[in-house]
Amino acid sequence: GAVVSQHPSRVICKSGTSVKIECRSLDFQATTMFWYRQFPKKSLMLMATSNEGSKATYEQGVEKDKFLINHASLTLSTLTVTSAHPEDSSFYICSAKTGLASYEQYFGPGTRLTVT
Amino acid sequence: GDSVTQMEGPVTLSEEAFLTINCTYTATGYPSLFWYVQYPGEGLQLLLKATKADDKGSNKGFEATYRKETTSFHLEKGSVQVSDSAVYFCALNTPLVFGKGTRLSVIA
Repeated sequence: GAVVSQHPSRVICKSGTSVKIECRSLDFQATTMFWYRQFPKKSLMLMATSNEGSKATYEQGVEKDKFLINHASLTLSTLTVTSAHPEDSSFYICSAKTGLASYEQYFGPGTRLTVT
Repeated sequence: GDSVTQMEGPVTLSEEAFLTINCTYTATGYPSLFWYVQYPGEGLQLLLKATKADDKGSNKGFEATYRKETTSFHLEKGSVQVSDSAVYFCALNTPLVFGKGTRLSVIA
């Protein structure tokens, strides 16, 4: 099946710094990518939908100036957590969509962000 | 809004035991329903799906039936294996709305 990678898999950063997470579709072109956040023992929460070449659509309650999303190509989307704080520590997961049906999504393995 | 409720884990079973993970949903209209599985260290994978009432999704010995009258989509497997140990997520679309996940551990 289609493969989605994320880099890094784990990152630790200090409060106030910014960190970038990459999401790549390795063997297919993804017109749409999604970013999710997962808290311990909680479900995945959709943060934003990213379409190649256009601005991301953020879900209600997600700060677009804090979570910068760029989808510059059909195989790469990036999430930058700006001015990170300890409460931003979480597990971030991306997925890439290949077709019109929403179930045609392929998920990355996730990135564990810890802000100290 | 749309939501999914699935049974809290963790669930620990012996090999060859019967598995049921309950999932109920709240949604407007007629959503499609999914079960995703996340094996250790890997991304979520679609396990099975059902797109309309009374549909039965099946894959790798797992089954789930779309029950509109009870708004449920329970996951079942007749005989689990150690390799089935993973976290299972019930979800509906669109966009995908997930349950909290249920961790299954199967012991030999």
